[in-house]
Amino acid sequence: EVQLVESGGGLVQPGRSLRLSCAASGFTFDDYAMHWVRQAPGKGLEWVSGISWNSGSIGYADSVKGRFTISRDNAKNSLYLQMNSLRAEDTALYYCAKANRSSWYDWVWFDPWGQGTLVTVSS
Amino acid sequence: QSVLTQPPSVSGAPGQRVTISCTGSSSNIGAGYDVHWYQQLPGTAPKLLIYGNSNRPSGVPDRFSGSKSGTSASLAITGLQAEDEADYYCQSYDSSLSAHVVFGGGTKLTVL
Repeated sequence: EVQLVESGGGLVQPGRSLRLSCAASGFTFDDYAMHWVRQAPGKGLEWVSGISWNSGSIGYADSVKGRFTISRDNAKNSLYLQMNSLRAEDTALYYCAKANRSSWYDWVWFDPWGQGTLVTVSS
Repeated sequence: QSVLTQPPSVSGAPGQRVTISCTGSSSNIGAGYDVHWYQQLPGTAPKLLIYGNSNRPSGVPDRFSGSKSGTSASLAITGLQAEDEADYYCQSYDSSLSAHVVFGGGTKLTVL
C-alpha cells in the first residue's frame, strides 16, 4: 500500500523557519516526482512546489519562491520542504503528494496524498 | 482568484445528476493540458477522482465521469448519493510565465 506521512508542522512565529518532512512507502520512491500542496483553513488547494525524481528539475509557486526550498533524499524515501521567512498567510495544512510520473510538470496529477501536517504562523 | 474557475457550490437531490464546471484559458486547459479532479470529503485529504480528463482510477464508481472541451472541463455525477457530499477540485498545468500546477477554487457539493 502506498503511504505518505507528513511531519514537522507546528506553531511558529512570523519570520522564523520550519522544515517539513514526508516519509514515503509502498512504491519505488525514486521513480516519481513529488509535490507539496497546501490548504489554508477553510480555503481551497494551492500548489506549493514540485520536484522531479532525481531533483534535477524543481518548481515553486510564486507565493513561496525565494522563501521555500523543496528537496528529496531517495535513499531515505523522503521529501522535504524547508520554509524560511514564514508569514501569517503561510498558515495551512501542508500535504505531500505523489505524482503520476517522474517529472513534476506538464501532464501531472497527484495520487495519493498524505494526511497533511498543520503549519500555523502566528506571534 | 484561482487560475481555474469553478462554481463555489452546486446541489442536487439523491438520484439526480449534477455537473461541476472548470474554466481555464489558452495557457492551461486550452493549451492541451489534461484536467484532473479530486474529491475531498470533510476532514480528509483529497482523493484522485478523475485523471487525464476522463479516466477513473480503480475503485471510483462509474457514476463519476469527466470531459474536456476547448478551455473548459466538466465533472458529472449521476445517481447522486449522500456520501458524495464533498468539495471537488479540478487541476491542470499552466504554461504561462509562472509555469506551474494550478487548481480550481473548489466546488462544494450539497446533497439535498
